[in-house]
Amino acid sequence: AQTVTQSQPEMSVQEAETVTLSCTYDTSESDYYLFWYKQPPSRQMILVIRQEAYKQQNATENRFSVNFQKAAKSFSLKISDSQLGDAAMYFCAYRGPGNTPLVFGKGTRLSVIA
Amino acid sequence: DAMVIQNPRYQVTQFGKPVTLSCSQTLNHNVMYWYQQKSSQAPKLLFHYYDKDFNNEADTPDNFQSRRPNTSFCFLDIRSPGLGDAAMYLCATSRAGQGSEKLFFGSGTQLSVL
Repeated sequence: AQTVTQSQPEMSVQEAETVTLSCTYDTSESDYYLFWYKQPPSRQMILVIRQEAYKQQNATENRFSVNFQKAAKSFSLKISDSQLGDAAMYFCAYRGPGNTPLVFGKGTRLSVIA
Repeated sequence: DAMVIQNPRYQVTQFGKPVTLSCSQTLNHNVMYWYQQKSSQAPKLLFHYYDKDFNNEADTPDNFQSRRPNTSFCFLDIRSPGLGDAAMYLCATSRAGQGSEKLFFGSGTQLSVL
């Protein structure tokens, strides 16, 4: 079974600084997809960024980028120029090929300090 | 423009009293999911539908049932809620595809059991 591990239950960052959230996963598949979701206090899950495993290039979305290391099964999220609105729970998630459901990590709670 | 709508936002029920949570979507997605999320934990998949094909997770209690009468609607029935069933219930949808399709989440229903 696939597992997703987020080893940092909580992180904090100063406003305008950069922070990196860690995620590792375990799978025997060669074709899969990785996601970072943000869940603010409203509890609405919002997709931040996604990465296809077959792509070597790291995905980026404005201030958000990933460091995808396929051999190490590592998928970290970097948030640059952190803003107060970035404060939320961040979940790393894995999805296998086809229509298999998302498997979530336990999450990292990010605080942004003004 | 809400695309995945969950009603109600908050639901209070009594111990052992059946309760139904509803989810509707305007996206015409084939796949619908129900996740249970307890406080400060990762969402846990209960079941999902691929069109009308129902897929139950092995560890989903028999107390939880689901119905999908058409593409747009999906219901979660809890036959005899216990105190341990108090949680946020998240509905999500996605297109059928190769796995890269992102999930669209509703705002969730927070269930309290008295």
